[in-house]
Amino acid sequence: KAGVTQTPRYLIKTRGQQVTLSCSPISGHRSVSWYQQTPGQGLQFLFEYFSETQRNKGNFPGRFSGRQFSNSRSEMNVSTLELGDSALYLCASSTGGFTGELFFGEGSRLTVL
Amino acid sequence: SQELEQSPQSLIVQEGKNLTINCTSSKTLYGLYWYKQKYGEGLIFLMMLQKGGEEKSHEKITAKLDEKKQQSSLHITASQPSHAGIYLCGAFGAQKLVFGQGTRLTINP
Repeated sequence: KAGVTQTPRYLIKTRGQQVTLSCSPISGHRSVSWYQQTPGQGLQFLFEYFSETQRNKGNFPGRFSGRQFSNSRSEMNVSTLELGDSALYLCASSTGGFTGELFFGEGSRLTVL
Repeated sequence: SQELEQSPQSLIVQEGKNLTINCTSSKTLYGLYWYKQKYGEGLIFLMMLQKGGEEKSHEKITAKLDEKKQQSSLHITASQPSHAGIYLCGAFGAQKLVFGQGTRLTINP
């Protein structure tokens, strides 16, 4: 069974640009959650999608957005990049229950110059 | 909102020694997850504890949940270099999984 796949693994952008990250969940999983990890803030919840609907959202500015497609694949977008957006972005999939185990991808490391 | 505090933040132990990592919640714990992360990589699920007093083991790693203390502990026996990494506890709060800051474990040969 294939795990959670995130692309790209590494990317470098400059301030003001935008970026789109992709996440393919485990087959059969309908929930995809996104997290931002930085040395200072740790793992911070961005949002969660379930069956193409955003079910929960963390405390991030509107520059951070996401969506989920009918095949459960998800994308997140960050517009007008800032230096502070440099982080490891992790995607996790689950069957959708609120107490179920989350399966994480390897992450996308974004560097903003 | 629920917050998880881990202690210690970092830990350096000699190979073969035992160690314990603690995770304390600001609210009642209804379930507690332990994950391990190699630097810059994704999280690997270790175990989930759901009931007060529950204890689970995986190889040389044992975790316990103390609901009354709103705390969980993770204990590694006879540590090995493969145990090195960042250990994170997580709990569901407001329908999302929140994490502690993590404990960075270094194993010295």
